[in-house]
Amino acid sequence: AQSVAQPEDQVNVAEGNPLTVKCTYSVSGNPYLFWYVQYPNRGLQFLLKYITGDNLVKGSYGFEAEFNKSQTSFHLKKPSALVSDSALYFCAVRDSTGGYNKLIFGAGTRLAVHP
Amino acid sequence: KAGVTQTPRYLIKTRGQQVTLSCSPISGHRSVSWYQQTPGQGLQFLFEYFSETQRNKGNFPGRFSGRQFSNSRSEMNVSTLELGDSALYLCASSPDEGVPYEQYFGPGTRLTVT
Repeated sequence: AQSVAQPEDQVNVAEGNPLTVKCTYSVSGNPYLFWYVQYPNRGLQFLLKYITGDNLVKGSYGFEAEFNKSQTSFHLKKPSALVSDSALYFCAVRDSTGGYNKLIFGAGTRLAVHP
Repeated sequence: KAGVTQTPRYLIKTRGQQVTLSCSPISGHRSVSWYQQTPGQGLQFLFEYFSETQRNKGNFPGRFSGRQFSNSRSEMNVSTLELGDSALYLCASSPDEGVPYEQYFGPGTRLTVT
C-alpha cells in the first residue's frame, strides 16, 4: 500500500532562516508526490508536485521540494522563512490502486516561524 | 475561475441525526473527492465521484454516502451521526484530464456532533 510519513509533528524556525519539512514515502511504481499547506479554518492549498523530471521542484510562495529516490524522500524547503509561513503542512502521494486516483496524506507537520 | 465552494461552513448536529454537505467544484472539473480530517486520524479519503458515478471509495461505514449531479456538484450525507463523526469535511475537485492529478480543495465544512 502507498504511504507517506512525516516524522516531525512540529518544526520551529526563526524568521529569515532556511526551513525543511521532512517527508518519506513508500510506493509501488513511480511516485506522484504533493505538498499542501493548511492555514487555520481553511482548506488545503496546493504548493507543488513531483511527477517526473527534475528532482528539485519549485512551487508557490517560494517553496521547493527535493525528490530523492534512493532515500525515498520528498522534503519541503524554503531558503528564508517568513512568519506568515506558519501553518500545517501535508505531504501526500497518489494512490491509483484499483485504477482510480486518491491522495494518501501524511499526518501533517506544524511549522512555527518565530520573529 | 471561482474556487471550490462548500456549504455550510459550520454545522452542529446531535447524535442520531443525519446531515448533508454540499460541494460545488471549479467550473469544468468533473471529478469530486471527499476527505475527512480529524485530529486523531488525520486526512482520510471518503469517496470520489466522476460523471455522477462513484468510482472510488475509502474505508468508511455505509452511513457515509454521496452523490454527484449532472452539473458536477456533489453532496455527501452522513446518517445516524456519532460523536466520532465530528470533523472537518473537505471537498476537492480535479479536471481529471491533462494535469496529472492535481486536486483543488474547498474551505471545508466543520461538523460538530453533540
